[in-house]
Amino acid sequence: SQTIHQWPATLVQPVGSPLSLECTVEGTSNPNLYWYRQAAGRGLQLLFYSIGIDQISSEVPQNLSASRPQDRQFILSSKKLLLSDSGFYLCAWSVRQAVSAEAFFGQGTRLTVV
Amino acid sequence: AQSVAQPEDQVNVAEGNPLTVKCTYSVSGNPYLFWYVQYPNRGLQFLLKYITGDNLVKGSYGFEAEFNKSQTSFHLKKPSALVSDSALYFCAVRFTYYNAGNMLTFGGGTRLMVKP
Repeated sequence: SQTIHQWPATLVQPVGSPLSLECTVEGTSNPNLYWYRQAAGRGLQLLFYSIGIDQISSEVPQNLSASRPQDRQFILSSKKLLLSDSGFYLCAWSVRQAVSAEAFFGQGTRLTVV
Repeated sequence: AQSVAQPEDQVNVAEGNPLTVKCTYSVSGNPYLFWYVQYPNRGLQFLLKYITGDNLVKGSYGFEAEFNKSQTSFHLKKPSALVSDSALYFCAVRFTYYNAGNMLTFGGGTRLMVKP
């Protein structure tokens, strides 16, 4: 069966420090991968999606970047964190080219920038 | 452009009573529709989806949803609410043709509070 791992679960970082959040998927190949941010426990904002290795699309301009160095690895990064980067970050995957397939989410990372 | 709306920020229901969480959508053509649940500080869990066929879809934990094309709605229902159903619920929609990224568009979420 497929599983998605996301770490760390919580992170407290000072303003101006770098960020690296990692997500890996097991049990599937060639997945679509996604990074979402959830502010204040409400709506989801799609940050990045990827349809393949080194193929990253950004949905919103921001202080963050994403990379996909391997088929089942998706990394969210920042060179210098801002207070506004605080939030709950969720990684997800879905079967590529399967329009009826649901997306599966990781357990999330709570990032607090202080 | 496709969009999905959840008109209620919060729904309150007594334990044992039926519950409904509303969702309406706007999409060209036929949609694929999904419901997810989120417990505090956790990821989203898939509950059910509508692809085609029977308008009443049954999912996990006793939840079901009714697809209504004329009203462009996909309301989530449960005949008898449990306190443990208290959580944040998200409706999502996707086009029925493949688009790069195959993204889901999510509603803003509805908080369900079930009181004993």
